[in-house]
Amino acid sequence: EVQLVESGGGLVQPGRSLRLSCAASGFTFDDYAMHWVRQAPGKGLEWVSGISWNSGSIGYADSVKGRFTISRDNAKNSLYLQMNSLRAEDTALYYCAKDSSDGSGSYGNFDYWGQGTLVTVSS
Amino acid sequence: DIQMTQSPSSLSASVGDRVTITCRASQSISSYLNWYQQKPGKAPKLLIYAASSLQSGVPSRFSGSGSGTDFTLTISSLQPEDFATYYCQQSYSALRTFGQGTKVEIK
Repeated sequence: EVQLVESGGGLVQPGRSLRLSCAASGFTFDDYAMHWVRQAPGKGLEWVSGISWNSGSIGYADSVKGRFTISRDNAKNSLYLQMNSLRAEDTALYYCAKDSSDGSGSYGNFDYWGQGTLVTVSS
Repeated sequence: DIQMTQSPSSLSASVGDRVTITCRASQSISSYLNWYQQKPGKAPKLLIYAASSLQSGVPSRFSGSGSGTDFTLTISSLQPEDFATYYCQQSYSALRTFGQGTKVEIK
C-alpha cells in the first residue's frame, strides 16, 4: 500500500524558515517524480514544486521561486521542502504527492497524496 | 506558465442529475489533462488522467473528454458521495497548474 506521510509543519513567524518532510513507502521511491502542493484555508490547490526521480529536473511555482528548495533522498525514501523567508501568504496545508512518471521528459498525474502538514505563518 | 480556467466555480444539482464541468487551458496541452476530486478535510483523489482515462477504482459514471485547450468532466448520474470540489490540472508542462476548482453542491 502506498503511503505518504508529511511532517514538519507548525507555527512560524514571518521571515523565518521551516523544513517539511515526506516519508514514502509502498512503492519504489526512486522510480518516480514527487511534488509539493499546497492549499490555503478555504482556497484551491496550488502546485508548489516538483522534482524528478534523480533530482535532475526541478521546478517551482513563481510564488515560491528563490525562497523554497525541494530535494529528495532516495536512500531514505524521503522528500523535503526547505522554506525560507516565509510570508503570511504561505500559510496553507502542504501535501506531498507522487507522480505517475519519473519526471524526466514525461509528466504524469498525481496518483497518490499524503494527508498534508499545516504551515501557519504569523507573528 | 499555462493557466487553467474552470467553469462554473460552483453548481447546485440533485441526485441523479447529469453534471458537466469545463476546463480551458491558456495554450494547447494536447491530452495532458487530469481531473481530481476533493472532499472536505480530505486529500485530493485522482479521477481521470490523460483527458479521458478512468483511474482504477473510479466509478464509470465519471468520464472525461477533450483535447487541445478545451476539456470536460461529466458525471452521468450524480450520487450523494459525488458532492465535492473538482479540479483540473495540466501535465503538459513541468510547471504544473490547477484550475481554481468547481464545487458541486446539493440542490
